[in-house]
Amino acid sequence: NAGVTQTPKFQVLKTGQSMTLQCAQDMNHNSMYWYRQDPGMGLRLIYYSASEGTTDKGEVPNGYNVSRLNKREFSLRLESAAPSQTSVYFCASSDIRNPPGELFFGEGSRLTVL
Amino acid sequence: TQLLEQSPQFLSIQEGENLTVYCNSSSVFSSLQWYRQEPGEGPVLLVTVVTGGEVKKLKRLTFQFGDARKDSSLHITAAQPGDTGLYLCAGALRNAGNMLTFGGGTRLMVKP
Repeated sequence: NAGVTQTPKFQVLKTGQSMTLQCAQDMNHNSMYWYRQDPGMGLRLIYYSASEGTTDKGEVPNGYNVSRLNKREFSLRLESAAPSQTSVYFCASSDIRNPPGELFFGEGSRLTVL
Repeated sequence: TQLLEQSPQFLSIQEGENLTVYCNSSSVFSSLQWYRQEPGEGPVLLVTVVTGGEVKKLKRLTFQFGDARKDSSLHITAAQPGDTGLYLCAGALRNAGNMLTFGGGTRLMVKP
């Protein structure tokens, strides 16, 4: 059972480089999310997509863009990476938004920006 | 300042001890979830509480939602090394479209 799959798992970038984190879920969930996790900060929401064709900003959207390619896939793009974007990124999906259902997370993508 | 404050941030105990982790806020939540995260993995849901005063038990873990739905606690009885991990609470705010806001986490280490 794949669940939520993220690629790549590790990435090192230089300041100013761009990259895209890919996420795919096979649970037929409507909602998908991108979080970043920093020590002591818990998980902070970057962007989310409540359903195919819609995306909305979360708590910390600056410096990121997203694309909901189809129901399965939700990508996160860093156009010009900065050291402050060094973090572990998690993609998640859920089936029920109101009330919030269980979030299913991928294994994370560890990004270092030099 | 985070909307959800978890305490303690770190906890190191011996196997067999009891512990309580707290999740506090000045905001009222429509529901609250607890997740556990192990190194190199994503968080996994343990429980969702919805009603003020609600108590849920999951084997040796007891979860309580405050009467006013502003706080929650997680109590572990007779902790085991397998309980080691990062515990995260996440609250849903009705006036924020029920989006989940996470606390900073409590990192628990249970030594054999």
